[in-house]
Amino acid sequence: EDQVTQSPEALRLQEGESSSLNCSYTVSGLRGLFWYRQDPGKGPEFLFTLYSAGEEKEKERLKATLTKKESFLHITAPKPEDSATYLCAVQGSSWGKLQFGAGTQVVVTP
Amino acid sequence: EAGVTQSPTHLIKTRGQQATLRCSPISGHTSVYWYQQALGLGLQFLLWYDEGEERNRGNFPPRFSGRQFPNYSSELNVNALELEDSALYLCASSRNTGTGGLQYFGPGTRLTVT
Repeated sequence: EDQVTQSPEALRLQEGESSSLNCSYTVSGLRGLFWYRQDPGKGPEFLFTLYSAGEEKEKERLKATLTKKESFLHITAPKPEDSATYLCAVQGSSWGKLQFGAGTQVVVTP
Repeated sequence: EAGVTQSPTHLIKTRGQQATLRCSPISGHTSVYWYQQALGLGLQFLLWYDEGEERNRGNFPPRFSGRQFPNYSSELNVNALELEDSALYLCASSRNTGTGGLQYFGPGTRLTVT
């Protein structure tokens, strides 16, 4: 069965303090790895899709990378509005199903 | 472009009752997915519908069921509600690539069972 583990569970950053979130996965036949952002009480907002090892994608202060066993979400010079829970998910052998990790809750203080 | 919409926003039911949740996908999307997000747990896959057919199902009992209408909107029905069914129910939609596509989520329906 596909598994996704995210670390750390929570991360508290000062504004401007860069950091990285980790997503480790085991999957039979990776069809895609997805990063979402979720604000409290709201639905996840799509950030990135990665399909093959070595792939990288960037959006504003966020950069996602992928290896054969894990993905990293790098947050560069974060701002308070980057505070959210960041979710990692994989699509593998079970078609249509996204297997989610538990998420990393990020708090950025001014 | 309008996103995925869900109704109602909040739903309060009593144990043993039935709940019906609704979802309208993004225009042009034929696939609809349902997920449960219970407090302290991650998103758990419930169901995938495409072109009116159930394509895949997660590890949930049969009292969780749904359907997809010709206009691609969808309903999730939960029968014989239990306290542990209290959760945020999220709907997502995608264009279908055969194995499921990039999923965009709606705002969710908060179901509370008392």
